[in-house]
Amino acid sequence: DARVTQTPRHKVTEMGQEVTMRCQPILGHNTVFWYRQTMMQGLELLAYFRNRAPLDDSGMPKDRFSAEMPDATLATLKIQPSEPRDSAVYFCASGLSSGVSYNEQFFGPGTRLTVL
Amino acid sequence: EDQVTQSPEALRLQEGESSSLNCSYTVSGLRGLFWYRQDPGKGPEFLFTLYSAGEEKEKERLKATLTKKESFLHITAPKPEDSATYLCAVQVGYNKLIFGAGTRLAVHP
Repeated sequence: DARVTQTPRHKVTEMGQEVTMRCQPILGHNTVFWYRQTMMQGLELLAYFRNRAPLDDSGMPKDRFSAEMPDATLATLKIQPSEPRDSAVYFCASGLSSGVSYNEQFFGPGTRLTVL
Repeated sequence: EDQVTQSPEALRLQEGESSSLNCSYTVSGLRGLFWYRQDPGKGPEFLFTLYSAGEEKEKERLKATLTKKESFLHITAPKPEDSATYLCAVQVGYNKLIFGAGTRLAVHP
C-alpha cells in the first residue's frame, strides 16, 4: 500500500530552536509539495519540487524556512529559528506530473508543530 | 488574483438527507479542479479531478460536477461516515494547487 510518510508526527519545541521535518514520497512520484495548514489560513502551498528541482517556493518565508530534496526518496523542510506563529500542521504530498498533464496529489499524515 | 471560495462553511445533515457543497473559483487558466476529503488529524484524501465544464464524476454517494465558474459536490443519502471536511482546489500553472477553506460536513443518525 503506497503512501507518503512523514516524520515526526508531532513536534513541540521552544522559540528559536531549529525544526526539521522529513517526508518520504511515494516511490515513482516525481513531484513533492510542502503545505502548511492552520485554522486561520487553511491549506497553503509553501514549496514544491519536480524531479528534485525546486520549482516554486514563493509561499515560504525565505529568511527562516528552507526546503530540500537530498534524493528522490527524501524531502526535508527546515525552520530556523522557529517562532510561535509557525505552529501549524505541515503536510507533504507527492504526485506524478508529465509537465502538461497533471495527476492528483497524495498527502501524508502531517507533522503537527507547536512552537512555545 | 486566483481565488477559491467554498460554501457553506459548515453543514449539518440528517442521515439520508441529500445536499450539495459549492466551490466557486476565479482563476486565470484553470487546468483542473480537485475535490479532497479530510478527516480530523489526517491528511487530505483525493476524491475527484474535473478538467472541463460539463464534466461529472461519481464515487459511491458522491458526485462532482463542474461549470465554468463553480463546482458542486452532491451527496446523496449521506451516512454518518461521510462526516468530514471537504476541500476543493484548483490547479493553476503546471503543478500548483490553490485550496478553498473547506466545508465541514456533519451527518447525524
